[in-house]
Amino acid sequence: KAGVTQTPRYLIKTRGQQVTLSCSPISGHRSVSWYQQTPGQGLQFLFEYFSETQRNKGNFPGRFSGRQFSNSRSEMNVSTLELGDSALYLCASSLGGVRDEQYFGPGTRLTVT
Amino acid sequence: GEDVEQSLFLSVREGDSSVINCTYTDSSSTYLYWYKQEPGAGLQLLTYIFSNMDMKQDQRLTVLLNKKDKHLSLRIADTQTGDSAIYFCAAYKAAGNKLTFGGGTRVLVKP
Repeated sequence: KAGVTQTPRYLIKTRGQQVTLSCSPISGHRSVSWYQQTPGQGLQFLFEYFSETQRNKGNFPGRFSGRQFSNSRSEMNVSTLELGDSALYLCASSLGGVRDEQYFGPGTRLTVT
Repeated sequence: GEDVEQSLFLSVREGDSSVINCTYTDSSSTYLYWYKQEPGAGLQLLTYIFSNMDMKQDQRLTVLLNKKDKHLSLRIADTQTGDSAIYFCAAYKAAGNKLTFGGGTRVLVKP
């Protein structure tokens, strides 16, 4: 079956701009989670969506938001970008949630200048 | 909250065994996982262990769990160059439905 896809793969933005990242989960998976990966902070949980509802949220400011559509595709948005938002953003899908086997996409590499 | 700690780096010779260690702080963690990340890719689940188990073996992988010390290890037998990657352990807690990842251990396999 097709894996998790993320678009775009690479993105360069300027401070103060906003950005939207997209994630298409594996067919049949209803849970989508987002993670931020940086060399300094490692892998940090952003939020999880299940059947269009945000079920859990990590410790990130309100500039980070997300949503999930009825076909389970998910988007995350970062407004008013800061240099520190430069990171690899990973999404993962699973059948039931973060406890289940999560299948990760290759990530979107965001660079903020 | 839960803290999951791992050593940063491990170097091993091809054919030897590798042991990657992980400690966690929350004793109510029920599932513990090992994920592998290769360059330019997302994470891939290698194996997991339920907290009422001490050991789990899956081909070249052996997971050991010491619940008293909150210590988890992953042993890779007959390590190959293709095992060079970053390995993450993660702990799941039902209260809060929370999965916490360690910082990752970079494993370098030398021929």
